[in-house]
Amino acid sequence: KNEVEQSPQNLTAQEGEFITINCSYSVGISPLHWLQQHPGGGIVSLFMLSSGKKKHGRLIATINIQEKHSSLHITASHPRDSAVYICAVYSNTGNQFYFGTGTSLTVIP
Amino acid sequence: DAGVIQSPRHEVTEMGQEVTLRCKPISGHNSLFWYRQTMMRGLELLIYFNNNVPIDDSGMPEDRFSAKMPNASFSTLKIQPSEPRDSAVYFCASSPVAQETQYFGPGTRLLVL
Repeated sequence: KNEVEQSPQNLTAQEGEFITINCSYSVGISPLHWLQQHPGGGIVSLFMLSSGKKKHGRLIATINIQEKHSSLHITASHPRDSAVYICAVYSNTGNQFYFGTGTSLTVIP
Repeated sequence: DAGVIQSPRHEVTEMGQEVTLRCKPISGHNSLFWYRQTMMRGLELLIYFNNNVPIDDSGMPEDRFSAKMPNASFSTLKIQPSEPRDSAVYFCASSPVAQETQYFGPGTRLLVL
């Protein structure tokens, strides 16, 4: 069993659609990261959150500590949002980072 | 700031050769991370440093891999001897402290023939 599981693995959406990517984890965290990897390979850190919700432009990340679950939402999706989104958690009990396998998002014009 | 700098950007080598990847973190960042990404295994943490000291190297695949951080502005990841299964993209990232937002370098694409 993976410590971090993401769903869906692949997602295709029409431009303008609201998108949700889910992340469930089984290890203790401090905090949880959402990363974005563009087709060219570059990785950008989108959010780091320990509780509640964060918003940046059209991106919203939420986390429920009790349920060990986080979601990444994209409002009014755009083709430039096409990328792989990776959830990662840091376990301070073992000084380990655990990564989800990523969600590959394609937004069609 | 130039961000995290990695070199080389691409490396092609033959099996058995020594490979050295380099990373310059963002100035003032105290944590540095080395990652490997492959199609089969996704993104994996190899090792990370806090204040130049290795904290966790449990992700290092085997003794052929070694990492050093002689000072706050430079780190190396060495593979000796290299094998075809080491072919991957190797990312370096830095953050102010380990649990904060990480800034990734552009990666080194390694191909071992």
